[in-house]
Amino acid sequence: QQQVKQSPQSLIVQKGGIPIINCAYENTAFDYFPWYQQFPGKGPALLIAIRPDVSEKKEGRFTISFNKSAKQFSLHIMDSQPGDSATYFCAATYTGGFKTIFGAGTRLFVKA
Amino acid sequence: DAGVIQSPRHEVTEMGQEVTLRCKPISGHNSLFWYRQTMMRGLELLIYFNNNVPIDDSGMPEDRFSAKMPNASFSTLKIQPSEPRDSAVYFCASSLDGGMGGEQYFGPGTRLTVT
Repeated sequence: QQQVKQSPQSLIVQKGGIPIINCAYENTAFDYFPWYQQFPGKGPALLIAIRPDVSEKKEGRFTISFNKSAKQFSLHIMDSQPGDSATYFCAATYTGGFKTIFGAGTRLFVKA
Repeated sequence: DAGVIQSPRHEVTEMGQEVTLRCKPISGHNSLFWYRQTMMRGLELLIYFNNNVPIDDSGMPEDRFSAKMPNASFSTLKIQPSEPRDSAVYFCASSLDGGMGGEQYFGPGTRLTVT
């Protein structure tokens, strides 16, 4: 029940394409869903996050879509660029808890 | 702020040796997390502290692993004795008000190789 399932494991898109990464969770107590971006040789860094009271959040070219009833959320990257090539982790946590549960990660490669 | 500081950045050691990884969290943050990352197992939470107190160490793989946080500005993760399967990148992260879904700030990691 604590797991966050992420797919796909890897993704290759052409420059300008819209990669979509999907995540699903079981624990309805989760109320904060961040996405982290990790470049090779670096630690993960927060990219964008959403709370379940909204269905969509946009920050620049990055959009999170959230479906509370299905317990699913996804990351869309508009007009993807080679510089977006990285590993993306979805995650979930809850107010009053200390632990963030991370998905397994998606390795994205954007071809020039 | 300099961010989360980890040392060493790279460590190569022989099986059976003791390894100590160090972390300095961001000043003012009250939660600290140790993670291990491998290709096979992804990002695993090993242990986390809140206000210097270990809250959950259920992710620590076995008794060979231990972690301490003697004060708000320093933590160590020790492996004794080390084994080749411990080879991984170890990340330290800190956050403010960890109980409110706060953003975690990761350090650059320590790449450990045990031969």
